[in-house]
Amino acid sequence: AQKITQTQPGMFVQEKEAVTLDCTYDTSDPSYGLFWYKQPSSGEMIFLIYQGSYDQQNATEGRYSLNFQKARKSANLVISASQLGDSAMYFCAMRGGRSNDYKLSFGAGTTVTVRA
Amino acid sequence: DTEVTQTPKHLVMGMTNKKSLKCEQHMGHRAMYWYKQKAKKPPELMFVYSYEKLSINESVPSRFSPECPNSSLLNLHLHALQPEDSALYLCASSQGTLSRQPQHFGDGTRLSIL
Repeated sequence: AQKITQTQPGMFVQEKEAVTLDCTYDTSDPSYGLFWYKQPSSGEMIFLIYQGSYDQQNATEGRYSLNFQKARKSANLVISASQLGDSAMYFCAMRGGRSNDYKLSFGAGTTVTVRA
Repeated sequence: DTEVTQTPKHLVMGMTNKKSLKCEQHMGHRAMYWYKQKAKKPPELMFVYSYEKLSINESVPSRFSPECPNSSLLNLHLHALQPEDSALYLCASSQGTLSRQPQHFGDGTRLSIL
């Protein structure tokens, strides 16, 4: 069974500062994918970034970077230079590597509020 | 704008009504998903279609009936719903079912059951 843990229910960050969202996971699969999604109050779930379990480098996408520490089973999201539009709920998610493993397991989410 | 289009955006229905939610994608994705999401909770998987065949039904009550008419379309037929079924219903698609292929979500349908 896969489990994703996000321990920060809510965070406040000042505009233009960086923020780190924590995510730890537990799986017995050697191959898996880790994802971060952003969900504004309007409801759409926006894919931000992906990290594969065998990837040697940490993933980056614009202002988003993933701090992947495989031995510690953590996949923290770093948002640099926060903007007001970054205010949203952020979900960490994982998917197993088996070909019939369709399920995306989500963490409980972290609500980020960016202050001007 | 998302590449997965869901209609309607909002739906209010009585417990005896029959309605359908629609989802469309033109990215050539071969896997499509329905999720249910309650406020401030993560999405919960309901159904998975892979190559237009139902692959997963997460023990969803029969008052929810999915349909995949073709590789671009996914419907969710609703009948005799209960007030606790009020939620955001999200459709998603992915290129395939490999772990590295992200699921792309639509904007969702906000469903209210009176």
